[in-house]
Amino acid sequence: AQSVTQLGSHVSVSEGALVLLRCNYSSSVPPYLFWYVQYPNQGLQLLLKYTTGATLVKGINGFEAEFKKSETSFHLTKPSAHMSDAAEYFCAVSVGRGLRGKLTFGTGTRLTIIP
Amino acid sequence: AAGVIQSPRHLIKEKRETATLKCYPIPRHDTVYWYQQGPGQDPQFLISFYEKMQSDKGSIPDRFSAQQFSDYHSELNMSSLELGDSALYFCASSLGSGGPNEQFFGPGTRLTVL
Repeated sequence: AQSVTQLGSHVSVSEGALVLLRCNYSSSVPPYLFWYVQYPNQGLQLLLKYTTGATLVKGINGFEAEFKKSETSFHLTKPSAHMSDAAEYFCAVSVGRGLRGKLTFGTGTRLTIIP
Repeated sequence: AAGVIQSPRHLIKEKRETATLKCYPIPRHDTVYWYQQGPGQDPQFLISFYEKMQSDKGSIPDRFSAQQFSDYHSELNMSSLELGDSALYFCASSLGSGGPNEQFFGPGTRLTVL
């Protein structure tokens, strides 16, 4: 079975500072990894995903993540935080049967941006 | 672009009542997933359907049932509601072919059980 661990349920950074949200996964087979963002009272929006190929993945809103197999990690970063980045972020893994795998989410990290 | 539609957006029920949540996937998407997100929790997978057949099952109570119809919309039926069923219920859809699936989430239905 697969699982995801997000270190830090709350992260605060100053506007303009580096954002680093940590995600480690556990999977017995090569995983597909995702980062989703959830704004208050809204659904989940995909930021980026890793499937195969290049291990550095670029997503929307200036976010990127690097898949490190040796560390079983998929940390999310953004060079310069913006006030609009304040939200809940979920890392998720899918190993699915065929092409239709369910997502297993981490417990989420609430990102607060300090003006 | 069309997104996943869920209805209703908010639902208030009493204990032991029933509820039906509806999900309309993105056009041409053939797979639907249901997730339950309790207060302050991460989304938990309930059940999924591909081409109108159940494809996977998670931690869905026996009191719940779901199906996908010929037009690919899906309904989650919940009976004998309990206080603990109060949560945000998400539906997501994906296109089953063409590589690792990307699930597109709807805005969710917030169910409150009193």
